[in-house]
Amino acid sequence: TQLLEQSPQFLSIQEGENLTVYCNSSSVFSSLQWYRQEPGEGPVLLVTVVTGGEVKKLKRLTFQFGDARKDSSLHITAAQTGDTGLYLCASQPGGSQGNLIFGKGTKLSVKP
Amino acid sequence: KAGVTQTPRYLIKTRGQQVTLSCSPISGHRSVSWYQQTPGQGLQFLFEYFSETQRNKGNFPGRFSGRQFSNSRSEMNVSTLELGDSALYLCASGRSGGNTGELFFGEGSRLTVL
Repeated sequence: TQLLEQSPQFLSIQEGENLTVYCNSSSVFSSLQWYRQEPGEGPVLLVTVVTGGEVKKLKRLTFQFGDARKDSSLHITAAQTGDTGLYLCASQPGGSQGNLIFGKGTKLSVKP
Repeated sequence: KAGVTQTPRYLIKTRGQQVTLSCSPISGHRSVSWYQQTPGQGLQFLFEYFSETQRNKGNFPGRFSGRQFSNSRSEMNVSTLELGDSALYLCASGRSGGNTGELFFGEGSRLTVL
């Protein structure tokens, strides 16, 4: 069974700082998804990366997929208090969109 | 467009009781998945339904069951509740049930077992 390891587990920073969170696996990902979950809500999909070496940008968020498709990173530039939340990576073990394996997440707190 | 609706949002039960949670997917979506979220284990996959058929099942005991109706609405049931079943139960819907596509999550049903 593929396991996803996310680091760091917790991150507390000041508004305006940059940060990077990581998602690693011992197995190759077919694809990888990043979600953000805010308190009291369900996860919301941010991005899906599929190709090794792929880089995707979503405003101040930059997502990178490792060349070997076994790791991914999420970089946030000039963090804002609205970025606070739980960042989760997820992969599909195979077959269907509804069957995802999630990492345990990085809990990010951005202080004003 | 209405999102995924889960009811009830909060509930408290005692050990040994059973509970039924409901999920209404986004209109037109035929795939519904259920997840359990706890601080210790994170998000764990319970099961996935598509067109009233269970397609995949996670590694949970038989006390956890679910079903999907012809209108795509889904229910999950947990019998003989244990303290460790306290968790946020999340439902997600998808349009096609294929191997690609976005999942949309509801806000969850928070279950506390005393």
